[in-house]
Amino acid sequence: KNEVEQSPQNLTAQEGEFITINCSYSVGISALHWLQQHPGGGIVSLFMLSSGKKKHGRLIATINIQEKHSSLHITASHPRDSAVYICAVRSQGNNRLAFGKGNQVVVIP
Amino acid sequence: NAGVTQTPKFQVLKTGQSMTLQCAQDMNHNSMYWYRQDPGMGLRLIYYSASEGTTDKGEVPNGYNVSRLNKREFSLRLESAAPSQTSVYFCASSLNRVNYGYTFGSGTRLTVV
Repeated sequence: KNEVEQSPQNLTAQEGEFITINCSYSVGISALHWLQQHPGGGIVSLFMLSSGKKKHGRLIATINIQEKHSSLHITASHPRDSAVYICAVRSQGNNRLAFGKGNQVVVIP
Repeated sequence: NAGVTQTPKFQVLKTGQSMTLQCAQDMNHNSMYWYRQDPGMGLRLIYYSASEGTTDKGEVPNGYNVSRLNKREFSLRLESAAPSQTSVYFCASSLNRVNYGYTFGSGTRLTVV
C-alpha cells in the first residue's frame, strides 16, 4: 500500500463548480504539501500544511492530523484550474517527501 | 529570481549513450533532489543531497550517479542509458527545515530509444 493515496484519480467539473480532492496517508508526518502540475508543465507548490487550514485565492487546503487526511478545495472552478494536483508528505524525522499519484482535474467551460 | 533551472528541457538518447542533466538553484537552499515521474506513478526520488558535499540514494538510484558540485548545482548522470530510463526528470530544492516548501524545476523530458 502506498504511503499516500489520492482520490478521486480523475475528476471532471463544469466551470463554476466547487471541487474537492482528497489525500490520505499512513505515516506520521511533519508536513503535507499540495502541488499543481499543468499538462506538459512544471510543478508548482500550492500549500504546505502541518495543521488546520490555509487559503490562497480560490484554493483552500485543510488537514486533519488525527485522521491522517487532507483535502484541497477549489471554489468557483475555472478551466485554468485543469491540472494534476499532487499530494506529498514529509514523514517525521525524514527530510524526504513521499508522493501520491495525483488527482487529474478537468474543468469544462 | 530564476528559482530552479534545469537543462536540457528535452533529450533523445540512444541506448548505451551517456548524458548529464544539470540543475542549479539561486535561492541559497541547502537540500537538492532529483526525481523521476512516470505515467501512473507518483514522483520517485532518485538521489538527494542534504547539504553541499553530501549525496544519498533515494528509492530508484540504479543506473544513475549524481554530483553536488557546489551549493547551487546538483547534476544527474546517466552513464549508459536504457529504455527504462525514459521519463520526465525533475530537480527540486529546499531548505532543510521541516516547515519549508520545495521549489521544482520545469523538468527534463528524456526519451531513450
